[in-house]
Amino acid sequence: GESVGLHLPTLSVQEGDNSIINCAYSNSASDYFIWYKQESGKGPQFIIDIRSNMDKRQGQRVTVLLNKTVKHLSLQIAATQPGDSAVYFCAEKATSYDKVIFGPGTSLSVIP
Amino acid sequence: NAGVTQTPKFRVLKTGQSMTLLCAQDMNHEYMYWYRQDPGMGLRLIHYSVGEGTTAKGEVPDGYNVSRLKKQNFLLGLESAAPSQTSVYFCASRPGTHGYTFGSGTRLTVV
Repeated sequence: GESVGLHLPTLSVQEGDNSIINCAYSNSASDYFIWYKQESGKGPQFIIDIRSNMDKRQGQRVTVLLNKTVKHLSLQIAATQPGDSAVYFCAEKATSYDKVIFGPGTSLSVIP
Repeated sequence: NAGVTQTPKFRVLKTGQSMTLLCAQDMNHEYMYWYRQDPGMGLRLIHYSVGEGTTAKGEVPDGYNVSRLKKQNFLLGLESAAPSQTSVYFCASRPGTHGYTFGSGTRLTVV
């Protein structure tokens, strides 16, 4: 069946460095992808999304890259800050589906 | 505009007890969802609703029931709680397009 998974379950980066969190998806029908950030004790929070007609989308300090050929999604965080420490989830959705499928999450730790 | 509000935030139940978790959204979203999140795992969909008066099963529906009598509310019921239902429960809503808005979660312990 379809699935969304992450290559690295944990990631530690030095404050000020760039972070890259990767995600693989298997449903070729998925056309909408989202990244969420979940801080300890809180609900997931929307960060950025991208549709399948795009390869790259930028936000404030974050960039999402989509490679449909290899079904790969990544989240890049520039100049990582301690406040970026959280679990990051990728999610996918196909137009024909009513629900979003979440990956297992990557824990990002920022070293001061 | 409060977004998605979940009540209660914490609850301890004894095995066999019943309870209802309430999710309320004030964004006029059509779609609403209940997820559970267990340690080291992602979000697993329990039930969802595509509109007032509708419900559908997700990945892990057993032991839970839901109702969507009003568009703004989505209730999750546990008829006979089991220790395996100890988890953090998240409600989410979304409009016809775009991603979810999540509530802050309900931490449920079944002893």
